[in-house]
Amino acid sequence: QKEVEQNSGPLSVPEGAIASLNCTYSDRGSQSFFWYRQYSGKSPELIMSIYSNGDKEDGRFTAQLNKASQYVSLLIRDSQPSDSATYLCAVGDMRFGAGTRLTVKP
Amino acid sequence: KAGVTQTPRYLIKTRGQQVTLSCSPISGHRSVSWYQQTPGQGLQFLFEYFSETQRNKGNFPGRFSGRQFSNSRSEMNVSTLELGDSALYLCASSLALGGGRALSPLHFGNGTRLTVT
Repeated sequence: QKEVEQNSGPLSVPEGAIASLNCTYSDRGSQSFFWYRQYSGKSPELIMSIYSNGDKEDGRFTAQLNKASQYVSLLIRDSQPSDSATYLCAVGDMRFGAGTRLTVKP
Repeated sequence: KAGVTQTPRYLIKTRGQQVTLSCSPISGHRSVSWYQQTPGQGLQFLFEYFSETQRNKGNFPGRFSGRQFSNSRSEMNVSTLELGDSALYLCASSLALGGGRALSPLHFGNGTRLTVT
């Protein structure tokens, strides 16, 4: 069974802090990794995609991939209350983790 | 470019009935995937269609079925509804680059909220 595991949270950080979201996966053959954000009552929206080891930055978001450790993470710098949402990790053939609920407190 | 369109947005059905949900992908996207989302189980993969063929299937009973038309539009059908089928059903399309959807991000529709009473 190919699994994607995320810390279920909830994760709470103060405004302006760095939020760190983690995801591990079991399928070593996975080649593609995605982070989605889902606001309450809304559908998931793509934040980042990453395909090779290392860091990928997009504005306040940084995705980090370590295929040897089968680990992918998402860092959100200068967290804002509007970042409060559930963050979903998706790996390979679009298997999703359970999501981590993030709350950014003003 | 228009996004993924799902209809209807809300449905209320009774146990034993059947239901059909519709999804129109983003223009040019040939892969359509369906997911069930519930508070306890998260996003569960139902199936994926590419060029009118079911290419992948999740672990759902045969009551859940789907199809894709030549214009890439897709429908999902659930027969003999059970209370546990109450959920948000999400459709997502992708370009399916590289011969497989795994390399392309998914673009989700707004979902259909199904309530079974």
